[in-house]
Amino acid sequence: AQSVTQPDIHITVSEGASLELRCNYSYGATPYLFWYVQSPGQGLQLLLKYFSGDTLVQGIKGFEAEFKRSQSSFNLRKPSVHWSDAAEYFCAVFSGGYNKLIFGAGTRLAVHP
Amino acid sequence: ETGVTQSPTHLIKTRGQQVTLRCSSQSGHNTVSWYQQALGQGPQFIFQYYREEENGRGNFPPRFSGLQFPNYSSELNVNALELDDSALYLCASSLRTSPPYEQYFGPGTRLTVT
Repeated sequence: AQSVTQPDIHITVSEGASLELRCNYSYGATPYLFWYVQSPGQGLQLLLKYFSGDTLVQGIKGFEAEFKRSQSSFNLRKPSVHWSDAAEYFCAVFSGGYNKLIFGAGTRLAVHP
Repeated sequence: ETGVTQSPTHLIKTRGQQVTLRCSSQSGHNTVSWYQQALGQGPQFIFQYYREEENGRGNFPPRFSGLQFPNYSSELNVNALELDDSALYLCASSLRTSPPYEQYFGPGTRLTVT
């Protein structure tokens, strides 16, 4: 079955520290992968996506993610976190059979000053 | 370019009632998908509408139904509300050309069932 796992429910980092949020997927074919961010009371904003090609993709707000097929992973990274990055982050895979996104449970990021 | 809008922002209903949520898709988009996000969880796919027809459905009972209008806006209807229907309902629009149909989300409607 197609699924997305985000192993970390909560992560706390200090402002200026580096960040890595983990995402593992289960999908039979070549996956189309996304990272979304959700601020409190808001909808989902697309950070970046991987469709094909270069396995290191750049997104908005200084985020990047690396697709590793051998590890079925698509981890999100940022070299220096800002207080405004505190939010919930969702990894998702596109399921072509039903034209839908399958989301992980999310990782809540807290940023200490 | 207008983004995805949803109405109302918040809604409180009583168990057993019916509710209608509305979504206006982003300009130029012809496909609308609805997701339910329960507290502390990721969004779950309810269904998708394309050319005014349901085109894919997740694991939700028939009391969840929808419509898409010629202007591509959409409604989500839920009958016989249950307490577990309390959630944030997200609408996403996309342009259906070829997969994977990048989806743009609205701010959501927060439904509380008491």
